[in-house]
Amino acid sequence: EPEVTQTPSHQVTQMGQEVILRCVPISNHLYFYWYRQILGQKVEFLVSFYNNEISEKSEIFDDQFSVERPDGSNFTLKIRSTKLEDSAMYFCASSGGGRAAGFYNEQFFGPGTRLTVL
Amino acid sequence: QKEVEQNSGPLSVPEGAIASLNCTYSDRGSQSFFWYRQYSGKSPELIMFIYSNGDKEDGRFTAQLNKASQYVSLLIRDSQPSDSATYLCAVKRRYGGSQGNLIFGKGTKLSVKP
Repeated sequence: EPEVTQTPSHQVTQMGQEVILRCVPISNHLYFYWYRQILGQKVEFLVSFYNNEISEKSEIFDDQFSVERPDGSNFTLKIRSTKLEDSAMYFCASSGGGRAAGFYNEQFFGPGTRLTVL
Repeated sequence: QKEVEQNSGPLSVPEGAIASLNCTYSDRGSQSFFWYRQYSGKSPELIMFIYSNGDKEDGRFTAQLNKASQYVSLLIRDSQPSDSATYLCAVKRRYGGSQGNLIFGKGTKLSVKP
């Protein structure tokens, strides 16, 4: 069964450093998302991406964050200058076999990258 | 502020019983509703979704939606110890023609006792 994959599974970085989290969405999906979950808290939406551009972003997704689809398979989240409060589990998700699939298309999550900022 | 509310639990049920998980949402424009299961330290795993008022059944799971009351629930019949997890309710906002992002509740922790 196709699945979303993410690398690395755990990333430790120093405050102020740049990190890139990588995701390979399900191959025929067209919509991609990043969510995060701070330990003990709810899953929060960061950004959605379609047709090589951001569709929607939350207040969390400020200028320190960027997303990119550098090739036909990878989807990346970059945090330019990490802060302690960026420590969280970051989940990539994908959905959609095409616009005809409609609004109700379910999102499938990858296993996550645990980011620890020291 | 668009919110999704869930009782955090823990909800404890004996093996074989029915577990009932509830969720309310504040945005009347919400279009579709999802239940995810999340084991500790793992990612959300989709169980089922519903977008029409009424019940939707899938195996041991039944999702119920009442848009007038802004209420969605998940019933798990014949609960098993392996069902012990946190159950996340997620709501997809109305957002034109796009796919839309999910708004999650904090989740209800379910414990099924053998």
